[in-house]
Amino acid sequence: KNEVEQSPQNLTAQEGEFITINCSYSVGISALHWLQQHPGGGIVSLFMLSSGKKKHGRLIATINIQEKHSSLHITASHPRDSAVYICAVNGDYSGGSNYKLTFGKGTLLTVNP
Amino acid sequence: SAVISQKPSRDICQRGTSLTIQCQVDSQVTMMFWYRQQPGQSLTLIATANQGSEATYESGFVIDKFPISRPNLTFSTLTVSNMSPEDSSIYLCSGTRTYNEQFFGPGTRLTVL
Repeated sequence: KNEVEQSPQNLTAQEGEFITINCSYSVGISALHWLQQHPGGGIVSLFMLSSGKKKHGRLIATINIQEKHSSLHITASHPRDSAVYICAVNGDYSGGSNYKLTFGKGTLLTVNP
Repeated sequence: SAVISQKPSRDICQRGTSLTIQCQVDSQVTMMFWYRQQPGQSLTLIATANQGSEATYESGFVIDKFPISRPNLTFSTLTVSNMSPEDSSIYLCSGTRTYNEQFFGPGTRLTVL
């Protein structure tokens, strides 16, 4: 079973700061997702990565497959970025497990004005 | 993409009762999943909802406690039966078309007294 670890668990930043959230996993995957969860519980998919780097607005996600590690960066953070950020991985391609997700516990980000 | 809605968005229930949560997708998806997120914990997969057949449950989850239906490619229900306070969680529905396309519902926040 894949173990997904995120750090830090909690992060408080001032508006405008550059933020990094880390995710590591223990076994091979077919893809890694970064998700955003707001207080009501709903989840929005931010990125899906299988290699390299992706950028969307102020958000950047990178993955290093060899090191089994991914990072989510937020540039010029804003109070509206306050949310829980969750890393999740798809299993590898064997036995159809690649559709299933294993989740990290999430990182609670608070950005103060 | 696909938009997923869930009903109810939240509920407060008495122990010993049952609650059925509905998940509706605005377009066909290949697979549908139900997740549970207990307070302070990561999301955990309850089961894969299979269209027209019995759901596939993960270890620790059983059909008698969490009966699931999926009558077509856009709708599924999860029932939480004989509830106890330990069932207080957010319940999330998700759908996929391919392993890298994951859509999430807004979640149902359940409190059991």
